[in-house]
Amino acid sequence: GAGVSQSPSNKVTEKGKDVELRCDPISGHTALYWYRQSLGQGLEFLIYFQGNSAPDKSGLPSDRFSAERTGGSVSTLTIQRTQQEDSAVYLCASSSPGTSEETQYFGPGTRLLVL
Amino acid sequence: AQSVTQLGSHVSVSEGALVLLRCNYSSSVPPYLFWYVQYPNQGLQLLLKYTSAATLVKGINGFEAEFKKSETSFHLTKPSAHMSDAAEYFCAVSEGSAGANNLFFGTGTRLTVIP
Repeated sequence: GAGVSQSPSNKVTEKGKDVELRCDPISGHTALYWYRQSLGQGLEFLIYFQGNSAPDKSGLPSDRFSAERTGGSVSTLTIQRTQQEDSAVYLCASSSPGTSEETQYFGPGTRLLVL
Repeated sequence: AQSVTQLGSHVSVSEGALVLLRCNYSSSVPPYLFWYVQYPNQGLQLLLKYTSAATLVKGINGFEAEFKKSETSFHLTKPSAHMSDAAEYFCAVSEGSAGANNLFFGTGTRLTVIP
């Protein structure tokens, strides 16, 4: 595809429910990132995948957050037992380190609202 | 550790006036620096980046930024503001390769252009 895509674009859920957010990176990009954008915290790094290496999970705020990247392409961010403070825009980005495409390109985000 | 400070969460300029958005960084290694723009309900779009080449970096839409090591700054400028420049602007720093490390973002500056 032409860019990074994310789904759903909007998600409303009830406190305590689990949610899954999907990211389709630019084809061929080996690096994939998740960030969270919230009113009180600005833009925060969550997790980073690079090729077959173990992901950098240093930004995940709690053990309720997890992410997978299957086949080196699509990634899913899962939030278990959602809390109201999880409400934010979740942004995905991809890049191709060591090439002319090493800049991170961002998707449009998933806006999550936890009621 | 890296961090970014953007002075002024809101900046208003008249159409045709100079745009100056301030960014100061801290980094323990030579930084890679970025400016991203976010239009309402959209993802982040790269405006320009500094990766240790020329200190004056030109980006899209007539924006440019100058890396000043002595001042640890990377301010964004545009000689003449257009109405279409109204958006939120984020400065970011990365350690090492631009695409292979997570980005640390400032809290953003919302630019308003007054007709």
